[in-house]
Amino acid sequence: GAGVSQSPSNKVTEKGKDVELRCDPISGHTALYWYRQSLGQGLEFLIYFQGNSAPDKSGLPSDRFSAERTGGSVSTLTIQRTQQEDSAVYLCASSSRGPDTQYFGPGTRLTVL
Amino acid sequence: DAKTTQPPSMDCAEGRAANLPCNHSTISGNEYVYWYRQIHSQGPQYIIHGLKNNETNEMASLIITEDRKSSTLILPHATLRDTAVYYCIVRGPNDYKLSFGAGTTVTVRA
Repeated sequence: GAGVSQSPSNKVTEKGKDVELRCDPISGHTALYWYRQSLGQGLEFLIYFQGNSAPDKSGLPSDRFSAERTGGSVSTLTIQRTQQEDSAVYLCASSSRGPDTQYFGPGTRLTVL
Repeated sequence: DAKTTQPPSMDCAEGRAANLPCNHSTISGNEYVYWYRQIHSQGPQYIIHGLKNNETNEMASLIITEDRKSSTLILPHATLRDTAVYYCIVRGPNDYKLSFGAGTTVTVRA
């Protein structure tokens, strides 16, 4: 079956611009996660959505970052006024329910010039 | 992930079995051992997980010692496409914030 998909695969933007990253989870998965991975660094948790519960936003690095999940499926991660330190690969994962096995998408490579 | 220790790198000959060790001496009774891998420029790929018993799927086998303080991931017939960084992590049933350590960089050579 189809896995997690993310778009765009690559995004180059100028400092100060806003960007939107999209994630389509595996159909039927109720849990969705956003992480980022900087060059040579490990995974950094950003946000977790589970069903209709309030999301865990504890990993968002600043108020420039926000995410929403519409209709319990597609999610969008928005970064406002991008900075060079936002450059990273942004990964989305989904799991069938709660803290179950997470399946990752291919990621979006964000480069802020 | 400070809960696991893996060798930084290992080489494997194509067609041979690759045995990847992982130490997790402080694992708790309800924590699972998970393995993921990340091929260059791709997202992490789930491989297998287990609690106490050995597990096998189409990708790999997971052997967990009886005391659960260590485990071995076995790729039965390594191919060049198995070249990747392999991550062993320990997570509790309610843990959802995954974190990877440095992992083991596996290079499969023809």
